[in-house]
Amino acid sequence: GENVEQHPSTLSVQEGDSAVIKCTYSDSASNYFPWYKQELGKGPQLIIDIRSNVGEKKDQRIAVTLNKTAKHFSLHITETQPEDSAVYFCAASSNTGFQKLVFGTGTRLLVSP
Amino acid sequence: DVKVTQSSRYLVKRTGEKVFLECVQDMDHENMFWYRQDPGLGLRLIYFSYDVKMKEKGDIPEGYSVSREKKERFSLILESASTNQTSMYLCASRPTHGEQFFGPGTRLTVL
Repeated sequence: GENVEQHPSTLSVQEGDSAVIKCTYSDSASNYFPWYKQELGKGPQLIIDIRSNVGEKKDQRIAVTLNKTAKHFSLHITETQPEDSAVYFCAASSNTGFQKLVFGTGTRLLVSP
Repeated sequence: DVKVTQSSRYLVKRTGEKVFLECVQDMDHENMFWYRQDPGLGLRLIYFSYDVKMKEKGDIPEGYSVSREKKERFSLILESASTNQTSMYLCASRPTHGEQFFGPGTRLTVL
């Protein structure tokens, strides 16, 4: 089955810096890669996603890149703000059979003012 | 707005008790999921359901069961709670093709 690895587990940046979180996946049939943000006391919320027919997707300060050959994808946050502080999860799912999301272990991002 | 609600935010139970965690979604989604979240382990799938009365084991089903008698409601049952089931439990729902939405979570402590 699919296995998703996520790094780093914690990331501390200064406000205004960029942050990058990386994930690798094992199943070459995976074709959907969402990123979730979990704020303290809340459930994860989808912030951006990408499908395997696209190499990059941007939404304001957030971007995701996908390298299908290397089987890795990354979340990029530019001009970080304190409200970006949260736990971020990557996930992957395949379109073969039932589409179950397999999650990475999470990255705790701390943005210091 | 899609809403996934969970019956309790915090729950404290004793070892051996039967525990029910309830989840309700209001968007007529076919698919519903139960995950547990532990530090350093991410979100692990316990059970999921793709239709009423249908259920499938996820990656860590041992010690749990589920019930889906109505489309909007998906219950997680701990038949005999143990201390290693102390965790954050997250419910989620998703249409056949579309975004997955999570509830706020239930933090369960088993003493």
